[in-house]
Amino acid sequence: AQSVTQLGSHVSVSEGALVLLRCNYSSSVPPYLFWYVQYPNQGLQLLLKYTTGATLVKGINGFEAEFKKSETSFHLTKPSAHMSDAAEYFCAVSVGTGGFKTIFGAGTRLFVKA
Amino acid sequence: ETGVTQTPRHLVMGMTNKKSLKCEQHLGHNAMYWYKQSAKKPLELMFVYSLEERVENNSVPSRFSPECPNSSHLFLHLHTLQPEDSALYLCASRKARAGGADTQYFGPGTRLTVL
Repeated sequence: AQSVTQLGSHVSVSEGALVLLRCNYSSSVPPYLFWYVQYPNQGLQLLLKYTTGATLVKGINGFEAEFKKSETSFHLTKPSAHMSDAAEYFCAVSVGTGGFKTIFGAGTRLFVKA
Repeated sequence: ETGVTQTPRHLVMGMTNKKSLKCEQHLGHNAMYWYKQSAKKPLELMFVYSLEERVENNSVPSRFSPECPNSSHLFLHLHTLQPEDSALYLCASRKARAGGADTQYFGPGTRLTVL
């Protein structure tokens, strides 16, 4: 069965510091992997996704993630945090025939200190 | 992204009330979802509709009843809810194609409080 584990329910960084949010997945078939972000009082929106091809994926707002099959990881990074990056981040894997079901991680709340 | 709208944004109801949540997508998608988001719990998939047919029902209690009259509209009918049903209910849609690589687009959610 497919699953997603996000390490750390809360991460705090200083403005300008590196952001690293960790995600590990379990899948018996090649996965499609996603990172979504949720700002307060809003729904989730896509940051980036990995389907096939290049393992380093670039997304919006300067975020990127690298698919590492050997480590079953899809960690999200950003070189320099901005106050506006404070939000909750969800890693997800798409599974099932036709990919109808998406399994979401529990989420990591990112705090950015001035 | 304003392609998926949800109404109402906030709802307070008693345990004996009947209410409905509405979701509408303007993206030409053919699959729609209901999720429940509770504090400190992962996002829970409740229902999936593809081409207006239910393809997934994750053992949701019968007090939640979905309806998908066409590919643009999705409803969640609520009756005799419990306080533990208080949560943010999110609707999402996608253009479903084989493989599962398509992005889901989410609405802003309905914040439901059951008294």
